[in-house]
Amino acid sequence: DAKTTQPNSMESNEEEPVHLPCNHSTISGTDYIHWYRQLPSQGPEYVIHGLTSNVNNRMASLAIAEDRKSSTLILHRATLRDAAVYYCILRDRNNAGNMLTFGGGTRLMVKP
Amino acid sequence: GAVVSQHPSRVICKSGTSVKIECRSLDFQATTMFWYRQFPKQSLMLMATSNEGSKATYEQGVEKDKFLINHASLTLSTLTVTSAHPEDSSFYICSARDARKNTEAFFGQGTRLTVV
Repeated sequence: DAKTTQPNSMESNEEEPVHLPCNHSTISGTDYIHWYRQLPSQGPEYVIHGLTSNVNNRMASLAIAEDRKSSTLILHRATLRDAAVYYCILRDRNNAGNMLTFGGGTRLMVKP
Repeated sequence: GAVVSQHPSRVICKSGTSVKIECRSLDFQATTMFWYRQFPKQSLMLMATSNEGSKATYEQGVEKDKFLINHASLTLSTLTVTSAHPEDSSFYICSARDARKNTEAFFGQGTRLTVV
């Protein structure tokens, strides 16, 4: 799977929007962009994924650049419970059974 | 939604003993499960891929005789850390994906192993 680059950490104030960037300049045409997050002392949990179009769900929105070389996870109103490490991961849709390869992720800190 | 249950969530064992960690997919079948290890302040590192009815595939540098994996059914994989040492202390996490669907991966709650 192609590599992604994320900032090590970001800070946000509670109830403000958060934009978490991810660069994936070597993305291939069959790679989905997945986001997972890991709360302290827990296993990762799925957040959202997309291919080309922007995506929204109850947890977040995913904005994908037109050239697909970058994407942004948007939390519309950060809460203290959103403090976690957020991982941006590319997964080839032709290899649905493959494992996920985790990079360093972005540690999001939310201030009250 | 689909759930992966991992047990125990926390275990302390003496050096030289063995510890078994269970990973169950609760409402779907998983022909493949994955075992990760995470040291403090680090990311998840894949240890091995557990295949139902066949041998597990281990990542480079992971000792297969030390980390025994058994995937005897479509809903259960176990990881046994044999002859545990303090350096094996870590957070172990399993993952599974519904084999019938091209969906997201589901992760267990993780097992915090402390070897004393």
